[in-house]
Amino acid sequence: GAGVSQSPRYKVAKRGQDVALRCDPISGHVSLFWYQQALGQGPEFLTYFQNEAQLDKSGLPSDRFFAERPEGSVSTLKIQRTQQEDSAVYLCASSLGASSTDTQYFGPGTRLTVL
Amino acid sequence: AQKVTQAQTEISVVEKEDVTLDCVYETRDTTYYLFWYKQPPSGELVFLIRRNSFDEQNEISGRYSWNFQKSTSSFNFTITASQVVDSAVYFCALIANTGGFKTIFGAGTRLFVKA
Repeated sequence: GAGVSQSPRYKVAKRGQDVALRCDPISGHVSLFWYQQALGQGPEFLTYFQNEAQLDKSGLPSDRFFAERPEGSVSTLKIQRTQQEDSAVYLCASSLGASSTDTQYFGPGTRLTVL
Repeated sequence: AQKVTQAQTEISVVEKEDVTLDCVYETRDTTYYLFWYKQPPSGELVFLIRRNSFDEQNEISGRYSWNFQKSTSSFNFTITASQVVDSAVYFCALIANTGGFKTIFGAGTRLFVKA
Protein backbone atom coordinates (compact mmCIF):
# COMPACT_ATOMS: atom_id res chain seq x y z
CA GLY A 1 0.00 0.00 0.00
CA ALA A 2 2.22 1.52 0.36
CA GLY A 3 4.04 4.56 0.80
CA VAL A 4 7.41 5.45 -0.63
CA SER A 5 10.02 2.79 0.04
CA GLN A 6 13.78 3.07 -0.11
CA SER A 7 16.56 0.52 -0.08
CA PRO A 8 18.88 -0.17 1.49
CA ARG A 9 17.96 1.55 4.74
CA TYR A 10 21.61 1.65 5.78
CA LYS A 11 24.73 1.59 3.65
CA VAL A 12 28.34 1.68 4.75
CA ALA A 13 30.89 2.35 2.04
CA LYS A 14 34.62 2.75 2.00
CA ARG A 15 35.87 5.98 0.57
CA GLY A 16 36.18 5.66 -3.18
CA GLN A 17 33.48 3.03 -3.60
CA ASP A 18 30.43 3.54 -5.78
CA VAL A 19 26.96 3.22 -4.24
CA ALA A 20 23.42 2.97 -5.63
CA LEU A 21 20.37 3.96 -3.64
CA ARG A 22 16.91 2.89 -4.74
CA CYS A 23 13.55 4.61 -4.40
CA ASP A 24 10.14 3.08 -5.08
CA PRO A 25 7.59 5.89 -5.21
CA ILE A 26 3.90 5.59 -4.53
CA SER A 27 2.28 3.89 -7.51
CA GLY A 28 0.98 6.39 -10.04
CA HIS A 29 2.91 9.33 -8.68
CA VAL A 30 4.27 11.45 -11.49
CA SER A 31 6.88 13.48 -9.63
CA LEU A 32 9.88 12.17 -7.73
CA PHE A 33 12.41 14.08 -5.66
CA TRP A 34 15.73 13.28 -4.00
CA TYR A 35 17.03 15.14 -0.95
CA GLN A 36 20.18 14.96 1.13
CA GLN A 37 19.86 15.44 4.88
CA ALA A 38 22.99 16.02 6.91
CA LEU A 39 22.93 15.30 10.63
CA GLY A 40 20.94 17.91 12.51
CA GLN A 41 19.89 19.75 9.36
CA GLY A 42 16.84 20.00 7.18
CA PRO A 43 16.68 18.12 3.88
CA GLU A 44 18.34 19.78 0.90
CA PHE A 45 17.05 19.37 -2.63
CA LEU A 46 19.12 17.30 -5.01
CA THR A 47 17.03 16.56 -8.09
CA TYR A 48 13.49 16.29 -9.48
CA PHE A 49 11.87 13.99 -12.04
CA GLN A 50 8.58 14.28 -13.82
CA ASN A 51 7.92 10.78 -15.07
CA GLU A 52 11.23 9.73 -16.67
CA ALA A 53 12.39 13.27 -17.39
CA GLN A 54 14.90 14.83 -15.02
CA LEU A 55 13.69 18.42 -14.96
CA ASP A 56 16.00 19.83 -12.33
CA LYS A 57 19.34 18.52 -11.15
CA SER A 58 20.69 21.78 -9.85
CA GLY A 59 21.07 20.46 -6.31
CA LEU A 60 23.44 17.62 -7.14
CA PRO A 61 26.67 18.59 -5.35
CA SER A 62 29.09 17.26 -7.92
CA ASP A 63 29.36 15.24 -11.09
CA ARG A 64 29.91 12.18 -8.91
CA PHE A 65 26.18 12.20 -8.24
CA PHE A 66 23.85 10.81 -10.87
CA ALA A 67 20.13 10.00 -10.74
CA GLU A 68 17.86 8.20 -13.14
CA ARG A 69 14.25 7.10 -13.46
CA PRO A 70 14.22 5.26 -16.78
CA GLU A 71 10.65 4.01 -16.80
CA GLY A 72 9.05 6.79 -14.82
CA SER A 73 8.62 4.80 -11.63
CA VAL A 74 11.61 3.44 -9.67
CA SER A 75 14.53 5.80 -9.33
CA THR A 76 18.17 5.21 -8.49
CA LEU A 77 20.61 7.72 -7.05
CA LYS A 78 24.19 6.75 -7.77
CA ILE A 79 27.22 8.22 -6.08
CA GLN A 80 30.59 7.46 -7.61
CA ARG A 81 33.89 7.49 -5.75
CA THR A 82 32.23 8.27 -2.43
CA GLN A 83 33.81 10.79 -0.09
CA GLN A 84 33.35 11.24 3.64
CA GLU A 85 31.33 14.42 3.07
CA ASP A 86 28.75 12.31 1.23
CA SER A 87 27.74 10.75 4.57
CA ALA A 88 24.11 11.73 5.11
CA VAL A 89 20.58 10.45 4.94
CA TYR A 90 19.23 10.41 1.39
CA LEU A 91 15.49 10.93 1.24
CA CYS A 92 13.20 10.22 -1.66
CA ALA A 93 9.74 11.76 -2.05
CA SER A 94 6.98 11.45 -4.60
CA SER A 95 3.90 13.47 -5.44
CA LEU A 96 0.83 12.69 -7.46
CA GLY A 97 0.80 15.54 -9.92
CA ALA A 98 3.23 17.08 -12.34
CA SER A 99 3.61 20.25 -10.34
CA SER A 100 6.58 20.49 -8.03
CA THR A 101 4.35 22.40 -5.61
CA ASP A 102 2.16 19.39 -4.89
CA THR A 103 2.38 17.74 -1.50
CA GLN A 104 5.31 15.37 -1.32
CA TYR A 105 5.28 12.03 0.49
CA PHE A 106 8.60 10.88 1.84
CA GLY A 107 10.29 7.53 2.23
CA PRO A 108 12.23 6.48 5.34
CA GLY A 109 15.56 7.39 3.78
CA THR A 110 18.87 5.62 3.27
CA ARG A 111 21.57 6.43 5.79
CA LEU A 112 24.92 6.43 4.00
CA THR A 113 28.10 6.30 6.02
CA VAL A 114 31.39 6.68 4.16
CA LEU A 115 34.43 5.50 6.09
CA ALA B 1 16.46 34.57 -1.86
CA GLN B 2 14.26 31.97 -0.29
CA LYS B 3 14.85 31.14 3.31
CA VAL B 4 13.12 29.41 6.21
CA THR B 5 14.20 30.08 9.77
CA GLN B 6 13.27 27.92 12.72
CA ALA B 7 14.98 29.68 15.55
CA GLN B 8 14.15 27.09 18.19
CA THR B 9 16.64 24.26 17.95
CA GLU B 10 15.17 22.18 20.76
CA ILE B 11 12.12 22.50 22.98
CA SER B 12 11.35 20.38 25.98
CA VAL B 13 7.89 20.28 27.56
CA VAL B 14 5.98 18.12 29.99
CA GLU B 15 3.06 16.11 28.72
CA LYS B 16 -0.21 18.07 28.46
CA GLU B 17 1.54 21.39 28.04
CA ASP B 18 0.85 23.46 24.95
CA VAL B 19 3.83 24.21 22.73
CA THR B 20 4.35 26.54 19.75
CA LEU B 21 6.98 25.97 17.11
CA ASP B 22 8.03 29.10 15.26
CA CYS B 23 8.67 29.44 11.54
CA VAL B 24 9.70 32.60 9.72
CA TYR B 25 10.10 32.58 5.97
CA GLU B 26 11.58 34.89 3.35
CA THR B 27 10.48 35.19 -0.24
CA ARG B 28 9.77 37.99 -2.70
CA ASP B 29 7.19 35.97 -4.54
CA THR B 30 3.52 36.70 -4.09
CA THR B 31 2.59 33.09 -4.75
CA TYR B 32 4.21 30.53 -2.53
CA TYR B 33 3.42 27.44 -0.48
CA LEU B 34 4.23 26.62 3.11
CA PHE B 35 4.42 23.20 4.71
CA TRP B 36 5.01 21.52 8.04
CA TYR B 37 6.47 18.03 8.30
CA LYS B 38 7.09 15.79 11.30
CA GLN B 39 10.15 13.54 11.39
CA PRO B 40 9.89 10.87 14.10
CA PRO B 41 12.91 8.76 15.07
CA SER B 42 12.10 6.34 12.25
CA GLY B 43 13.30 9.04 9.87
CA GLU B 44 10.37 9.36 7.51
CA LEU B 45 9.01 12.87 7.04
CA VAL B 46 5.28 12.91 7.65
CA PHE B 47 3.25 15.61 5.93
CA LEU B 48 1.15 17.70 8.33
CA ILE B 49 -0.16 20.71 6.41
CA ARG B 50 0.12 22.67 3.16
CA ARG B 51 -0.92 26.30 2.90
CA ASN B 52 -0.77 28.63 -0.09
CA SER B 53 -0.01 32.31 0.19
CA PHE B 54 -3.52 33.41 -0.67
CA ASP B 55 -5.12 31.56 2.19
CA GLU B 56 -4.37 33.19 5.52
CA GLN B 57 -7.05 31.35 7.41
CA ASN B 58 -5.76 29.61 10.47
CA GLU B 59 -6.33 25.90 10.60
CA ILE B 60 -7.04 23.44 13.35
CA SER B 61 -6.73 19.69 13.08
CA GLY B 62 -7.31 17.92 16.34
CA ARG B 63 -4.61 19.02 18.75
CA TYR B 64 -2.68 20.77 15.97
CA SER B 65 -3.22 24.33 14.85
CA TRP B 66 -1.40 26.67 12.51
CA ASN B 67 -1.20 30.45 12.52
CA PHE B 68 -0.24 31.97 9.16
CA GLN B 69 0.53 35.70 9.23
CA LYS B 70 1.81 37.28 6.03
CA SER B 71 2.43 40.58 7.81
CA THR B 72 5.17 38.98 9.87
CA SER B 73 6.10 36.25 7.35
CA SER B 74 5.38 33.62 9.96
CA PHE B 75 3.70 30.24 9.89
CA ASN B 76 3.70 28.98 13.46
CA PHE B 77 2.56 25.56 14.62
CA THR B 78 0.93 24.88 17.99
CA ILE B 79 0.39 21.52 19.62
CA THR B 80 -2.23 21.61 22.35
CA ALA B 81 -2.05 19.19 25.27
CA SER B 82 1.18 17.64 24.02
CA GLN B 83 1.75 13.89 24.26
CA VAL B 84 4.90 11.78 24.38
CA VAL B 85 4.15 10.57 20.83
CA ASP B 86 4.57 14.15 19.63
CA SER B 87 8.30 13.91 20.31
CA ALA B 88 9.99 14.37 16.93
CA VAL B 89 11.77 16.89 14.77
CA TYR B 90 9.42 19.30 13.04
CA PHE B 91 10.32 21.02 9.78
CA CYS B 92 8.79 24.07 8.19
CA ALA B 93 9.25 24.34 4.42
CA LEU B 94 8.67 26.80 1.59
CA ILE B 95 8.15 26.44 -2.16
CA ALA B 96 8.21 29.54 -4.35
CA ASN B 97 8.74 30.43 -7.99
CA THR B 98 11.99 32.33 -7.50
CA GLY B 99 13.49 29.26 -5.90
CA GLY B 100 12.70 27.27 -9.00
CA PHE B 101 9.90 25.61 -7.09
CA LYS B 102 12.40 23.66 -5.03
CA THR B 103 11.37 22.91 -1.46
CA ILE B 104 13.41 24.92 1.02
CA PHE B 105 13.43 23.43 4.49
CA GLY B 106 14.23 25.06 7.78
CA ALA B 107 16.78 23.45 10.07
CA GLY B 108 14.05 21.90 12.17
CA THR B 109 12.95 22.06 15.80
CA ARG B 110 13.44 19.00 17.98
CA LEU B 111 10.55 18.61 20.41
CA PHE B 112 10.89 16.48 23.53
CA VAL B 113 7.69 15.70 25.40
CA LYS B 114 8.30 14.17 28.80
CA ALA B 115 5.77 12.02 30.59
